Amino acid sequence: EPEVTQTPSHQVTQMGQEVILRCVPISNHLYFYWYRQILGQKVEFLVSFYNNEISEKSEIFDDQFSVERPDGSNFTLKIRSTKLEDSAMYFCASSEGQGTNYGYTFGSGTRLTVV
Amino acid sequence: AQTVTQSQPEMSVQEAETVTLSCTYDTSESDYYLFWYKQPPSRQMILVIRQEAYKQQNATENRFSVNFQKAAKSFSLKISDSQLGDAAMYFCAYRPGTASKLTFGTGTRLQVTL
Repeated sequence: EPEVTQTPSHQVTQMGQEVILRCVPISNHLYFYWYRQILGQKVEFLVSFYNNEISEKSEIFDDQFSVERPDGSNFTLKIRSTKLEDSAMYFCASSEGQGTNYGYTFGSGTRLTVV
Repeated sequence: AQTVTQSQPEMSVQEAETVTLSCTYDTSESDYYLFWYKQPPSRQMILVIRQEAYKQQNATENRFSVNFQKAAKSFSLKISDSQLGDAAMYFCAYRPGTASKLTFGTGTRLQVTL
């Protein structure tokens, strides 16, 4: 069964450093997403991406965050200057479409620890 | 704004028994989708079951079924013949038909005991 692949599985970074989280969505999927889950809390939407541009973003997704699809396969989330409160599990997801019967497939997540 | 509420932070069920996890939501949309996701200790998000709001028939997937009450905005998950592998966090989620963003509830931690 096709999978969404995220790397690395765990990243430790110093406060103030830039970090890039990588995702390889399912090859025929057109919509891409990032979510995050702070430990013990609910999963929160960050951003959705379609046709090489952001289609929706949450208030969490401020100027410190950016997304990119640098080639035909990767989808990245960059945090420019990490803060302690950015420590969370970050999930990438993709879907084939937006309408009926198009479910998400989530990756297994990247645990980001900011120290 | 849409909200999803899971009022049971923790539930426990004995192996082979049945358990029901509750979820309510608030929306003014008429077209939307509802989901239950399972998050085991590995923290991967696994889709368990989904329901289209326009369908009156409750979705079922093997031992998992839902009770979808559209007027009451209620979407509960029933797990029959519970197994040890069912132990996980379960998240209810909502998505409007015109958008792609998922809104999650706070989750219910399910324990399965022998």
